[in-house]
Amino acid sequence: KAGVTQTPRYLIKTRGQQVTLSCSPISGHRSVSWYQQTPGQGLQFLFEYFSETQRNKGNFPGRFSGRQFSNSRSEMNVSTLELGDSALYLCASRTSGGHYEQYFGPGTRLTVT
Amino acid sequence: AQSVTQPDIHITVSEGASLELRCNYSYGATPYLFWYVQSPGQGLQLLLKYFSGDTLVQGIKGFEAEFKRSQSSFNLRKPSVHWSDAAEYFCAVGASTGANNLFFGTGTRLTVIP
Repeated sequence: KAGVTQTPRYLIKTRGQQVTLSCSPISGHRSVSWYQQTPGQGLQFLFEYFSETQRNKGNFPGRFSGRQFSNSRSEMNVSTLELGDSALYLCASRTSGGHYEQYFGPGTRLTVT
Repeated sequence: AQSVTQPDIHITVSEGASLELRCNYSYGATPYLFWYVQSPGQGLQLLLKYFSGDTLVQGIKGFEAEFKRSQSSFNLRKPSVHWSDAAEYFCAVGASTGANNLFFGTGTRLTVIP
């Protein structure tokens, strides 16, 4: 099976712009989660989507949003970018029931200038 | 709420030496525990997981971890380190009920000396 894929791998944006990141989960995985990784805050949970519904959300401002499509692919959007949004954004997918483990993609490196 | 502590920010070992990376967690019930490894510029790769049962779990690349409930620990071990093991290692805890997100420790960077 192919792993989790994320596009693009690298992005450079300017403060105030918005950005959309994409994630394709492992085939058959219906849950997709997003994490932000920064040197200062480490790995922090953004949100989880399952069957096109946001099931869980971390402590991030409303500028961070996401969605999931019927094929389980997910996108996250960050509006009005700030310098502090520079980070590695990781997407993870997992199967839907019982015990679980999350499988991560390679991430999208976002730089805000 | 769950939390994870990895007390060692950076560890240096010689190739062929044994390795132990420490992880302590906080969670009221039986946790789901994970170790992930991250190479520079890459995503996270799952090394091993603990859900229940045998407290000594085997993972990929020759790693193992032991769950000790009395110490709230889930330390990662490897008997003989290879140069390719140099990376950052993250311990994570997930809830056994309710929300499925993972809480990560701050990571331990492993340097391997030839």
